[in-house]
Amino acid sequence: EAGVAQSPRYKIIEKRQSVAFWCNPISGHATLYWYQQILGQGPKLLIQFQNNGVVDDSQLPKDRFSAERLKGVDSTLKIQPAKLEDSAVYLCASTQRNGDSPLHFGNGTRLTVT
Amino acid sequence: QKEVEQDPGPLSVPEGAIVSLNCTYSNSAFQYFMWYRQYSRKGPELLMYTYSSGNKEDGRFTAQVDKSSKYISLFIRDSQPSDSATYLCAALIQGAQKLVFGQGTRLTINP
Repeated sequence: EAGVAQSPRYKIIEKRQSVAFWCNPISGHATLYWYQQILGQGPKLLIQFQNNGVVDDSQLPKDRFSAERLKGVDSTLKIQPAKLEDSAVYLCASTQRNGDSPLHFGNGTRLTVT
Repeated sequence: QKEVEQDPGPLSVPEGAIVSLNCTYSNSAFQYFMWYRQYSRKGPELLMYTYSSGNKEDGRFTAQVDKSSKYISLFIRDSQPSDSATYLCAALIQGAQKLVFGQGTRLTINP
């Protein structure tokens, strides 16, 4: 079984620039998550999709972050404009169904904002 | 107060030692508890997955949940240098929408 694929692996941008991350979940996984992991901290949920609908985006900074999941498969997360404090690893995860299934993570995109 | 608290360490032990990693949580509605292992520059990898109170063993790893004290533990027996990683505890409400992580404990096993 192929894992969760994310790209790019690394990205360096200047503050106020925009950036986009891509995620392809495990085939058949209906639920997709984006987490932000700041260095030395645990992952923090940004947004959760069930198929192509948003289930939870309560912790997404909507003034600068946006995410979509077209056709209920791939997803993109965008930051515009970026701030220094957005420097983090952005992890995508997927699971077969809501609630009590373990999450499977990709290797993340490491973003550095200078 | 964070919903899941974890001592960030770092923790350094000699090879072969028994390692104990711990978390506490505040939300009584949590029913599923997980331990993830994260190597440097990699995503978290699921290690153990338990439902409610009790013990679960898998090889050298034992996960323990005590709901009365809201305490989660992971024990690693005969620790190996390859066990060196960050260990993340996480909790989930049954049927709910999100996994809540602790801060992670950075573990080093010295040969």
